[in-house]
Amino acid sequence: GNSVTQMEGPVTLSEEAFLTINCTYTATGYPSLFWYVQYPGEGLQLLLKATKADDKGSNKGFEATYRKETTSFHLEKGSVQVSDSAVYFCALSDQSNTGKLIFGQGTTLQVKP
Amino acid sequence: GAVVSQHPSRVICKSGTSVKIECRSLDFQATTMFWYRQFPKKSLMLMATSNEGSKATYEQGVEKDKFLINHASLTLSTLTVTSAHPEDSSFYICSASISGAYNEQFFGPGTRLTVL
Repeated sequence: GNSVTQMEGPVTLSEEAFLTINCTYTATGYPSLFWYVQYPGEGLQLLLKATKADDKGSNKGFEATYRKETTSFHLEKGSVQVSDSAVYFCALSDQSNTGKLIFGQGTTLQVKP
Repeated sequence: GAVVSQHPSRVICKSGTSVKIECRSLDFQATTMFWYRQFPKKSLMLMATSNEGSKATYEQGVEKDKFLINHASLTLSTLTVTSAHPEDSSFYICSASISGAYNEQFFGPGTRLTVL
């Protein structure tokens, strides 16, 4: 079945450091891929998405590229801020017409000043 | 725009009682709503998908008689945990989308259920 695997957290970085959160997936066909962010006390928000191979999603300085050959969708940011501290979820939506999302386990990012 | 609310934000109940959680789309009509369960340090697990006016579709292993879902209008879905037990204690999250396929899901802030 379809699944998503994220790197274990928590990830602790100093402000302005480079961020990578790894995400790999297993799926049949051509899923759409997403990164969601959950700030403390809030609901999940869509951060970025990519719907086909080699697409790059980007938002708020974050980027992720849909790599079919490595079945990966790693999240990167060149310079993190304290306000980026949150839980990040990688997810996929398969090609069925249901809209279902399958989530990774989430990675907590803590950015220290 | 695209705000989803949940009520209550947290609830504590005694074992054997039933608890209802509401999920509302505040500024859009949601044809599809999803209910997730999140365990500590674990992923969100999809419990069921509900479409307005029809019966919910439950994921494998989710007891439909225990987790009753009603999607009576385009802005409201409810999850009722019947005869709750301590193992039902969890964080329940809903999301809503305008239509099922390939459209963004908007998530509620979640409800923390603790069953004593």
